[in-house]
Amino acid sequence: GQQLNQSPQSMFIQEGEDVSMNCTSSSIFNTWLWYKQDPGEGPVLLIALYKAGELTSNGRLTAQFGITRKDSFLNISASIPSDVGIYFCAGQLNAGNNRKLIWGLGTSLAVNP
Amino acid sequence: GAVVSQHPSRVICKSGTSVKIECRSLDFQATTMFWYRQFPKKSLMLMATSNEGSKATYEQGVEKDKFLINHASLTLSTLTVTSAHPEDSSFYICSAPHRNTEAFFGQGTRLTVV
Repeated sequence: GQQLNQSPQSMFIQEGEDVSMNCTSSSIFNTWLWYKQDPGEGPVLLIALYKAGELTSNGRLTAQFGITRKDSFLNISASIPSDVGIYFCAGQLNAGNNRKLIWGLGTSLAVNP
Repeated sequence: GAVVSQHPSRVICKSGTSVKIECRSLDFQATTMFWYRQFPKKSLMLMATSNEGSKATYEQGVEKDKFLINHASLTLSTLTVTSAHPEDSSFYICSAPHRNTEAFFGQGTRLTVV
């Protein structure tokens, strides 16, 4: 099935550093979502973006919906050990009843205390 | 955010038996729910869309008779893995859209077929 291009695939950083990851698509999306998944758990929604150009923060996390509607980035500032996990982007093509999400392949984040 | 509860979190079953996984939306109604399968260190793979009151919509390559989906009410969808085999061992996750687009996920079910 269709998937988004998410990068980087993995990151290993020092505690306190900032992190940036992004997703791109050849298709236009109406919605971008960013999730974090811990091992053995379901993904947890971090930030939802609904409008092109929208910049939204959730604590140390900031995400933006690209102007072209084909990309989005997620930034994590001042990383801490509990930020470890896999981050997924997801885009939605259509609203209403057809709510299928298209997923990125994930960014695995490791934080060295 | 909205709460989606999935049960069981882990199940071990013998080859040839069937396993039922439940997905409940606890504080909202969901006419649609999604079932995913996830392999180790991989992204989520959509298996099917569960529709309350009608048949599920399966993704290409997913066997309908193997993975039975029933969306009996506005808060409950079930996935039954029939005649399970070791290759069905995986992490299965459900999600339900809330409000317009936000999708909330269950905790996942780790299925091991021995």
